[in-house]
Amino acid sequence: DIVMTQSPDSLAVSLGERATINCKSSQSILYTSNNKNYLAWYQQKPGQPPKLLLYWASVREAGVPDRFSGSGSGTEFTLTIDTLQAEDVAVYFCHQYYSDPPTFGPGTTVEIK
Amino acid sequence: EVQLVQSGAEVKKPGESLRISCKASGYTFSQHWITWVRQMPGKGLEWVGRIDPTDSYTNYNPSLQGHVAISVDTASNTAYLQWSSLRASDTAIYYCARVIMVASGGWLDPWGPGAQVTVSS
Repeated sequence: DIVMTQSPDSLAVSLGERATINCKSSQSILYTSNNKNYLAWYQQKPGQPPKLLLYWASVREAGVPDRFSGSGSGTEFTLTIDTLQAEDVAVYFCHQYYSDPPTFGPGTTVEIK
Repeated sequence: EVQLVQSGAEVKKPGESLRISCKASGYTFSQHWITWVRQMPGKGLEWVGRIDPTDSYTNYNPSLQGHVAISVDTASNTAYLQWSSLRASDTAIYYCARVIMVASGGWLDPWGPGAQVTVSS
C-alpha cells in the first residue's frame, strides 16, 4: 500500500496569513504516460463530510476559492491557503488514487492564531 | 445538484447484521462508481471499497475483504454497504462518495453526509 504522511499535524495561522500543508507519498504517484500526479486534497469541517478541493494535485474543483492552491510532483506535495479566512478552519487530507487501495494522509488541522 | 443521501445512525451488538444505504440523485447513476470510506473515532480516513453500478463489479480494501459487502440497486439509484457479523472495531462514521474514475482510481466528489455505526455490547 502507498503510505501518505502529512506535516504538520496542526498549525495555527493568523487571519489573512498563509497556511502551508505538506503531504508525502511512500512512492511516486506521478503517472509518467500522462504526466499527472494522482493526488487529491479535501477539506473537512467539524461535523461535516470531506469536501473536494483539488485533484491532479493542482486542479481546483469548481467553486473552490482561488486562495487554495496545490503544487508538487512525484512524492512531495503542498496545499497552500493564501490569506486565511475564518471559514478555512478545518482538517485537510491528501488522498492518492494512483493505486489500490486508495489511501489518505492522517490530516492536518488548521486553526486561527 | 448531485447529492448522496445516506441512511441514519445505527447502534448494534457484536455479531448482528447491518445494511446501510446511499441514495444518489442529480446525475446518471450508472456513469460513476460509488465508494465507501470510513472514519473511526478521532482518526483519519480509510477506504472500504467501491462498486461499478453498471455490472456490480467490486473492489475491496484487503484488510476488510470478506467482512463487508457492497451492492447496488440501479432501479433506485442506491448503493449499500453490509455486514453479516459486526465487530466492535466496525464502530465508525461511514461515508459514501461518487468516484470520478480515471484509469484504476479517482477522486471523490461529492461525499454523502455520513452514517454513524456504533457496535457495542
